[in-house]
Amino acid sequence: DAGVIQSPRHEVTEMGQEVTLRCKPISGHDYLFWYRQTMMRGLELLIYFNNNVPIDDSGMPEDRFSAKMPNASFSTLKIQPSEPRDSAVYFCASSRGQREQYFGPGTRLTVT
Amino acid sequence: SQKIEQNSEALNIQEGKTATLTCNYTNYSPAYLQWYRQDPGRGPVFLLLIRENEKEKRKERLKVTFDTTLKQSLFHITASQPADSATYLCALNAGNNRKLIWGLGTSLAVNP
Repeated sequence: DAGVIQSPRHEVTEMGQEVTLRCKPISGHDYLFWYRQTMMRGLELLIYFNNNVPIDDSGMPEDRFSAKMPNASFSTLKIQPSEPRDSAVYFCASSRGQREQYFGPGTRLTVT
Repeated sequence: SQKIEQNSEALNIQEGKTATLTCNYTNYSPAYLQWYRQDPGRGPVFLLLIRENEKEKRKERLKVTFDTTLKQSLFHITASQPADSATYLCALNAGNNRKLIWGLGTSLAVNP
């Protein structure tokens, strides 16, 4: 198993630019989660999908953030326009039936 | 307000001793609680899940307890090794769904 795959691993961009983060969940997993992690706030759930359908997006900070899951093997998290306060590590995780979640390596985003 | 608290201070112990980490929560009635390990620059890795009707769960050198009256979970690593050095996160579900609420984590250092 390749595990959860995320790209890019690092992203540095200027304020105002669009950022797209990508995730490939583990094959056969029907839940996909997007998290943001910072030192001050820890891990925060942004949104999660079940069978490609968004179930809870209450953690999405504002309209600048959007997420899609066009099929079972791909999801994107987009920030437009990006701001310095969006700088964080963004994780994608997936799970199947069982409650435990399997995390990707994360994308470290820096917005200058 | 609803929150989860873990030991904010880093825990330093001697190799071979038992490490005990604490997770306290308020204003939740979780159906289950999970513990994860996170190494620097990597995503969290699932360790153990304990349900509300279980008092204790074990896996190799790991033991988790769950006291719903005290609203507390304890995570023990027996015969600790330097390789156990990492940050340990607790997470609980917030309702009848897959959404997890996370503590900030406790950093554990096992000294040889």
